[in-house]
Amino acid sequence: NAGVTQTPKFQVLKTGQSMTLQCAQDMNHNSMYWYRQDPGMGLRLIYYSASEGTTDKGEVPNGYNVSRLNKREFSLRLESAAPSQTSVYFCASSLLWANVLTFGAGSRLTVL
Amino acid sequence: RKEVEQDPGPFNVPEGATVAFNCTYSNSASQSFFWYRQDCRKEPKLLMSVYSSGNEDGRFTAQLNRASQYISLLIRDSKLSDSATYLCVVTLPGFQKLVFGTGTRLLVSP
Repeated sequence: NAGVTQTPKFQVLKTGQSMTLQCAQDMNHNSMYWYRQDPGMGLRLIYYSASEGTTDKGEVPNGYNVSRLNKREFSLRLESAAPSQTSVYFCASSLLWANVLTFGAGSRLTVL
Repeated sequence: RKEVEQDPGPFNVPEGATVAFNCTYSNSASQSFFWYRQDCRKEPKLLMSVYSSGNEDGRFTAQLNRASQYISLLIRDSKLSDSATYLCVVTLPGFQKLVFGTGTRLLVSP
């Protein structure tokens, strides 16, 4: 039972490069989320998808885009990476919106 | 005032001790409450939901105090493996969104 799988686990980018973080869940959850976690700031919501076919901005959406490809998959794209986007990114999903979350193992991104 | 506040700690306790954390929330109409555990460099995992009547799971007890707007987590007979960061999570009214606290770090020593 894989739960939430996100890739890659680690990535180093140069300023201005682009990349996509992939996330997939196999629990038939309706809602999916992307968070970033920085020291002393807790988890901050970047974007979310309350249900298949919808996406919305969270607290810190600037510099990111998302795609809810289907019910299972929710990707996060950095179009032009900046050092301020150095962080640990977590994908999560929940059966119901704003309910119990299951997280992926995280993706550590460094932007030089 | 922050929507959810936690003492960052660390709380240093010896094995076998009882330790309690509180988490305060600002919106009196908040609807759901959770405690998550996060090990170093790992993802958060649900520890327990917090019900109005309080709930217990083994050595862990969670309580909700709506009058004073806080939730608590009590850990009895602490184990080395309890060392982690404990995140408080609150759902805002109308299930608008989940708000995470910044976490309380617990260190259990031999």
